[in-house]
This record gives sequence, C-alpha cells and structure tokens, in this order.
Amino acid sequence: AQKVTQAQTEISVVEKEDVTLDCVYETRDTTYYLFWYKQPPSGELVFLIRRNSFDEQNEISGRYSWNFQKSTSSFNFTITASQVVDSAVYFCALSEGNTGKLIFGQGTTLQVKP
Amino acid sequence: DGGITQSPKYLFRKEGQNVTLSCEQNLNHDAMYWYRQDPGQGLRLIYYSQIVNDFQKGDIAEGYSVSREKKESFPLTVTSAQKNPTAFYLCASSIASGFYEQYFGPGTRLTVT
Repeated sequence: AQKVTQAQTEISVVEKEDVTLDCVYETRDTTYYLFWYKQPPSGELVFLIRRNSFDEQNEISGRYSWNFQKSTSSFNFTITASQVVDSAVYFCALSEGNTGKLIFGQGTTLQVKP
Repeated sequence: DGGITQSPKYLFRKEGQNVTLSCEQNLNHDAMYWYRQDPGQGLRLIYYSQIVNDFQKGDIAEGYSVSREKKESFPLTVTSAQKNPTAFYLCASSIASGFYEQYFGPGTRLTVT
C-alpha cells in the first residue's frame, strides 16, 4: 500500500536557524510524483513543489531546498535561515497511480520563534 | 483573480441535517477534489472528479455525496449518515487528472452538534 510518513510531528526553531522536514514514502509504482504543501494558520494549502520519480536532482528555490533520494525513498525539505512567516504545517504527498489522487503524510508543524 | 472559492468559511448544523458545501473554481481546471482534515491529521480524500458529469469515491466517501454538473462547480453534501461530520473540508482542483499539482481553496470548517 502507498504511504507517506512524516515522523516529526512538531519542530520548534529560533529565527535564522536552518531546519529540515523529513518525508519518507512507500509505493510500488515506477512512475510517481511527490509534492510539498504549506498550510499557514489561515488553513489554505499552498503548493510548494512537485517532483517526478525520474528526476533526483536537488532543487533550490530561494531559502527552500528539496533533497530527493530514491534509494532511501525520501523527499526532505530544508528551509535555510528560517523566518517567523515560515511557521505553518507542512505536508508531504505522493501521487497514487495517474488518477490525481494524493496520499498525504500527517504533517509537520513548524514553529519559528523570533 | 483566478482561484478556488469555498463558502461559507464556518458552518454550524444540528445533528441529523444534511448540509451542502460550495466549491467554485475559475481556473478552467478539469479535475476537482474534496478532502477532509481532522485536527492533527493529514488530508483524506472524500470524492474526486476528473471531468464534468463524472466522479469517483475516494477513501472516505461514506456519508457524503457530490455532483459535477458544471466544470467550475463541485458541491459536497454531508448527509446525516456521516457519523463524525465535524471537520475542516478542503476543495482542490488541478488542470487535469494525473500527476499535476492541486490548488486548494480556503476551506470550510463544519461543526455539527
């Protein structure tokens, strides 16, 4: 069965610290996509990134970076020099087949203190 | 502005009543989805629609119903058969079904007492 595990329930850091959010997935599909979403206190999920299973190149977008390692079935997300505005719940998700269905992890609550 | 709207933001109902949650998108997306989120948990898929006049059950469809008569609209009805309806409901859409990213609405928080 497909599954996404975000083992870190809550993380608390002080502003300007770097923080890594872990995501481990299970799938039998050979073609799949992984996603990260941010859910701020307002509740709306904000799309951050989509990565396909054939592209293991790391990606950087400003202070955000993602490390995809197929060998360990992980897709970790790092925020460099964290800011208070980064405080949110972050979800990792895995596509199921080609139906568009997403399997979400339980989420990691990140609190960045000033 | 293009986006997804859900109304209302907060909804209160008495047990035994059906309630319909609205979801509208003007992104010209073919696929639409309904998720449920409970405190401290991830999102679980209720129903999804890959195209107008077609929809499929997700992982937790019991006690819910949907319709997709128009491309831009995908209302969700929470029936009295749903045993624990109090939750945060999120609607999403994507340009097509498959591996595309989904864009989410602001959500509706339903409380049933």
